[in-house]
Amino acid sequence: SQTIHQWPATLVQPVGSPLSLECTVEGTSNPNLYWYRQAAGRGLQLLFYSVGIGQISSEVPQNLSASRPQDRQFILSSKKLLLSDSGFYLCAWSPEMSQYFGPGTRLTVL
Amino acid sequence: DAKTTQPTSMDCAEGRAANLPCNHSTISGNEYVYWYRQIHSQGPQYIIHGLKNNETNEMASLIITEDRKSSTLILPHATLRDTAVYYCIVSAGGGSNYKLTFGKGTLLTVNP
Repeated sequence: SQTIHQWPATLVQPVGSPLSLECTVEGTSNPNLYWYRQAAGRGLQLLFYSVGIGQISSEVPQNLSASRPQDRQFILSSKKLLLSDSGFYLCAWSPEMSQYFGPGTRLTVL
Repeated sequence: DAKTTQPTSMDCAEGRAANLPCNHSTISGNEYVYWYRQIHSQGPQYIIHGLKNNETNEMASLIITEDRKSSTLILPHATLRDTAVYYCIVSAGGGSNYKLTFGKGTLLTVNP
């Protein structure tokens, strides 16, 4: 069966510090991968999606970036965090017609 | 993607059926109706999807009107653990076109 992992589960970072969140998927190959963010009290916002290694599409301009160095690995990064980057970050994978979400990373930028 | 309209909140008694409506009057012919739910502090969970025909799985049933302009998600015997925000989404689905746009959803509260 397929499993999606995210780490860390929670993170507290100062403004201006770098960020690296990792997502890995097990039990499948060549999945579509997605990064979402959910700010406090708001809906999910799609940030990036990837249909293959090295293929990244950005949905919203921001100071975040994403990379897919391996087939089942998706990384969300920032060089300098802003207060507005606080939120619940979710990674998802898609075989075809549905998306399956990971447990998420709760990021607080102070 | 077409937009959807859902009630902000609904209540349901434990053990009764929960019927969650969704309007998607601008849905295109190639767009599917998807339902997800999000329990507090967790990632969204896929429930069901359909194109034209009604669908049923172990979690729920999806009833789509003949004109496809609205749908209803049915949880046949709601439990306290079904308390969550339920999202109705329409999307063309498949491959690189498969992107979900989450709205505000419906907060379903199942009461004992």
